[in-house]
Amino acid sequence: QKEVEQDPGPLSVPEGAIVSLNCTYSNSAFQYFMWYRQYSRKGPELLMYTYSSGNKEDGRFTAQVDKSSKYISLFIRDSQPSDSATYLCAIHTGNQFYFGTGTSLTVIP
Amino acid sequence: DAGVTQSPTHLIKTRGQQVTLRCSPKSGHDTVSWYQQALGQGPQFIFQYYEEEERQRGNFPDRFSGHQFPNYSSELNVNALLLGDSALYLCASSSGNTIYFGEGSWLTVV
Repeated sequence: QKEVEQDPGPLSVPEGAIVSLNCTYSNSAFQYFMWYRQYSRKGPELLMYTYSSGNKEDGRFTAQVDKSSKYISLFIRDSQPSDSATYLCAIHTGNQFYFGTGTSLTVIP
Repeated sequence: DAGVTQSPTHLIKTRGQQVTLRCSPKSGHDTVSWYQQALGQGPQFIFQYYEEEERQRGNFPDRFSGHQFPNYSSELNVNALLLGDSALYLCASSSGNTIYFGEGSWLTVV
């Protein structure tokens, strides 16, 4: 079983929609969770970082961790065409970081 | 504050050749990791360097080797290139529980 699984999409939404991106993970001991945004042919950019359970909000972005279900989510409110990118979830444990395969998002004007 | 910088940004090599990619970590970061990202995939961990030693290694063959210098910069070397080595190679530096990536080096093997 992989450490983290992510629905690859692709996801296509109209501008202004609420987007939900999700990952599941295998080990309940994992505590540090991240979301990265990656534009085409660029390196991943850190968007959100959360520790343990609960929600963290930053502008239009909300990261949510449900440790009981081993489920992490990223919500994007009022989505914009500039949000079109691939979103990667990541988990940090020990000295290693594990990444999902990424979800490709397109926001249509 | 400069982030993680990588060079070269793009390169094309022939099968069987060798390649060296370079990375300077974010200021204040002493740990450098290398990842391979194939098209449509998430980054796959190659190895991590700390204090000039390889601390951890992913599931990559010995053709992949690295080095870290006293100033924390790092190199990734790949020998006997295969077509399947074509990918985006990402360098990342970390401090604590977050990791920051460079823009990557696009390697095409023909």
